[in-house]
Amino acid sequence: AQSVAQPEDQVNVAEGNPLTVKCTYSVSGNPYLFWYVQYPNRGLQFLLKYITGDNLVKGSYGFEAEFNKSQTSFHLKKPSALVSDSALYFCAVRDNGTGRRALTFGSGTRLQVQP
Amino acid sequence: AAGVIQSPRHLIKEKRETATLKCYPIPRHDTVYWYQQGPGQDPQFLISFYEKMQSDKGSIPDRFSAQQFSDYHSELNMSSLELGDSALYFCASSPPDRSGYTFGSGTRLTVV
Repeated sequence: AQSVAQPEDQVNVAEGNPLTVKCTYSVSGNPYLFWYVQYPNRGLQFLLKYITGDNLVKGSYGFEAEFNKSQTSFHLKKPSALVSDSALYFCAVRDNGTGRRALTFGSGTRLQVQP
Repeated sequence: AAGVIQSPRHLIKEKRETATLKCYPIPRHDTVYWYQQGPGQDPQFLISFYEKMQSDKGSIPDRFSAQQFSDYHSELNMSSLELGDSALYFCASSPPDRSGYTFGSGTRLTVV
């Protein structure tokens, strides 16, 4: 079975400071990992993904994430947070070793960036 | 670029009524997924279709059914609606290599 854990319900950071949103996963095969952002009453917007290759993945709006196989983590990072980054962030995984094609989502982390 | 189109955007139904949600995937995407996101919750996988056949089943209630048509659009049919069915329903599609998942803007269903 595939699963995702986002241990923090909320992350608070001051504008201009670096931010990290944590994600760990569990799969039986190789993971496909994704980050999505959701603004209030809106859809899920793709940020970045890890399929294979470089462990450091760069995505939209200055976000990046590092795939760490030994720690089964895929933390989302940004060097300098903006107030407009305040939103709900979801980590998701698909286990490439099983027949399941659907993504499994974490519980989400609300990012609050203070001006 | 074409995106995943869902209709309607908003839907209000009474208890015990039925509802039909529609999803039009990105052209050449062969798999469609349906998710339910309750208030303050993460998206929960309901069901998926690959090449018009059901490919996987998640936590879809027996009152719900879905299908994918020859033009690859999909419909989620919901019957005997309950207050707890009020949620945001997302459709997503993915290409044959399953390297990405594009989500629609969702249908907000309110059951009163």
